[in-house]
Amino acid sequence: GDSVTQMEGPVTLSEEAFLTINCTYTATGYPSLFWYVQYPGEGLQLLLKATKADDKGSNKGFEATYRKETTSFHLEKGSVQVSDSAVYFCALSDQAGTALIFGKGTTLSVSS
Amino acid sequence: EAGVAQSPRYKIIEKRQSVAFWCNPISGHATLYWYQQILGQGPKLLIQFQNNGVVDDSQLPKDRFSAERLKGVDSTLKIQPAKLEDSAVYLCASSFRGYNEQFFGPGTRLTVL
Repeated sequence: GDSVTQMEGPVTLSEEAFLTINCTYTATGYPSLFWYVQYPGEGLQLLLKATKADDKGSNKGFEATYRKETTSFHLEKGSVQVSDSAVYFCALSDQAGTALIFGKGTTLSVSS
Repeated sequence: EAGVAQSPRYKIIEKRQSVAFWCNPISGHATLYWYQQILGQGPKLLIQFQNNGVVDDSQLPKDRFSAERLKGVDSTLKIQPAKLEDSAVYLCASSFRGYNEQFFGPGTRLTVL
């Protein structure tokens, strides 16, 4: 079945460092891909999404590009802030209106 | 716009007891999901409703878990009897019918002792 694999954490960075969190997926069709973020004590929030190959999702300085050839959707940010400390989840949906399949999550800790 | 509401936020019970969680989705969202998030893992779908009908409950442990959405709005998830391995965060999410963006509530953290 469909699945999502993301890099193990925790990821510990200094403020203004470059961030990459790797995410790869397995799916039979053409899924939509998502990054969700979970700040301490809060629910999951959609960070960005891409619905077809070569689409780039972006929000709050974060970017991810849907790469069908490598089945990847890596999350990047050029300069992280302490406020970016959270757990990041990569997810896919194989068609609109169906449940999301999540990776295990990657904890990011940014220090000043 | 009000978000997805869930209650309670925290619950501690002993094994073999029963527990119920409540979710009120965003107004107008026909699709409602319940996910289970065990510590250190990503959320996993338990059940999906479209209005008041079940779309997918293939991963719901039906011997102990039940869920309903009687009027197509709010929903209740019940566990009876609870086991130690049910300790998790239970997340409710909703979406417009046919859209893939889901909005999540804050979750209910269940601890089974």
